[in-house]
Amino acid sequence: KAGVTQTPRYLIKTRGQQVTLSCSPISGHRSVSWYQQTPGQGLQFLFEYFSETQRNKGNFPGRFSGRQFSNSRSEMNVSTLELGDSALYLCASSLARGGEDTQYFGPGTRLTVL
Amino acid sequence: AQTVTQSQPEMSVQEAETVTLSCTYDTSESNYYLFWYKQPPSRQMILVIRQEAYKQQNATENRFSVNFQKAAKSFSLKISDSQLGDTAMYFCAFMSRNYQLIWGAGTKLIIKP
Repeated sequence: KAGVTQTPRYLIKTRGQQVTLSCSPISGHRSVSWYQQTPGQGLQFLFEYFSETQRNKGNFPGRFSGRQFSNSRSEMNVSTLELGDSALYLCASSLARGGEDTQYFGPGTRLTVL
Repeated sequence: AQTVTQSQPEMSVQEAETVTLSCTYDTSESNYYLFWYKQPPSRQMILVIRQEAYKQQNATENRFSVNFQKAAKSFSLKISDSQLGDTAMYFCAFMSRNYQLIWGAGTKLIIKP
């Protein structure tokens, strides 16, 4: 079974631009979560989607948004990019919601904002 | 608010030794999950071990085991017979009833040959 895939793997943008990152979960997985990983702030939860509905959102500004499609693929969008948005963005999928459902992570998208 | 603290930024041990990584957390909830994840250099994050708070028995997965002390809010990871492939960042994480993972800052573990 294919793992979680994220595209693109690397991205360079300039301040003020917007970006869309994509995540394809493991087949059959319905929950997708997004995390931001930076050297300064560590790993922070962005949001979680289940059955095309955002179930949970972390403490991030409204510039960060996302969605999930009927095939469980998910996208996240960051508008008006700031230098501080440079990070590794990780996506994780699981069968359902809950601690007993293992979250499987993708390789991440490395975003650099210049 | 829940928090997770890993007090050891970096550790190194010789191959075949046993190493223990520390993690403490803070929560007012009584039922939750705790995890240790491993992030090897330039590779994907993978789950090492999981502990359900209502289970008193410590979880084990082959060479990996935890010491879960619920009253002390402590959740340490023991790696026995360490191998070169264990070199990675190790993250302790807490999942509350809203299914959100809250992460520690990580411990960089280096296994020396």
